[in-house]
Amino acid sequence: AQTVTQSQPEMSVQEAETVTLSCTYDTSESDYYLFWYKQPPSRQMILVIRQEAYKQQNATENRFSVNFQKAAKSFSLKISDSQLGDAAMYFCAYRGRNAGGTSYGKLTFGQGTILTVHP
Amino acid sequence: DTGVSQDPRHKITKRGQNVTFRCDPISEHNRLYWYRQTLGQGPEFLTYFQNEAQLEKSRLLSDRFSAERPKGSFSTLEIQRTEQGDSAMYLCASSALDTERNQPQHFGDGTRLSIL
Repeated sequence: AQTVTQSQPEMSVQEAETVTLSCTYDTSESDYYLFWYKQPPSRQMILVIRQEAYKQQNATENRFSVNFQKAAKSFSLKISDSQLGDAAMYFCAYRGRNAGGTSYGKLTFGQGTILTVHP
Repeated sequence: DTGVSQDPRHKITKRGQNVTFRCDPISEHNRLYWYRQTLGQGPEFLTYFQNEAQLEKSRLLSDRFSAERPKGSFSTLEIQRTEQGDSAMYLCASSALDTERNQPQHFGDGTRLSIL
């Protein structure tokens, strides 16, 4: 079974600074996707960024970028120029093929990292 | 695109009662997922549907839990004889069918269940 581990329960950053959130995962599959989701307090889960395992190039979405190390099974999220609105719980998630291998299945989430942004 | 809608937003009930939650996915989405999230934790997968077919159920899903998607549109999740441990946020997500490429899952706001 796949597992996702986020070893940082809480992180904090000053506004306009850069912060990196860590995530490691365990899988024996070669075809999968990795995601970072953001969940503000009492609000909806929002997709921040995703990475295809077969792509060596790290994904980037505006101020958000990832460092994907496939051999090390590591997938960290870097937030540049942090803003107050970035404060939220961040989840790393894994998605592999379903049991039949015909499509992609469920998401497996890590425990989450609470990010606090100080003005 | 009106997003994934869940009803009710909050449910408070006494232990032993039955509860039912509803999820309306994004209209053209074939896939519908249910997750459970306890306070301070990441969501855990419960079950998912492709159209009306329930394709996978988690071993976490006891016999007291049942989910349906009778016409391949909205879905219901029922919990019978609720227990204290059922207190959680129940999240629904939907996505287009993805065979060769991942289609992102879009989440609803969730239904928060509190068992007294």
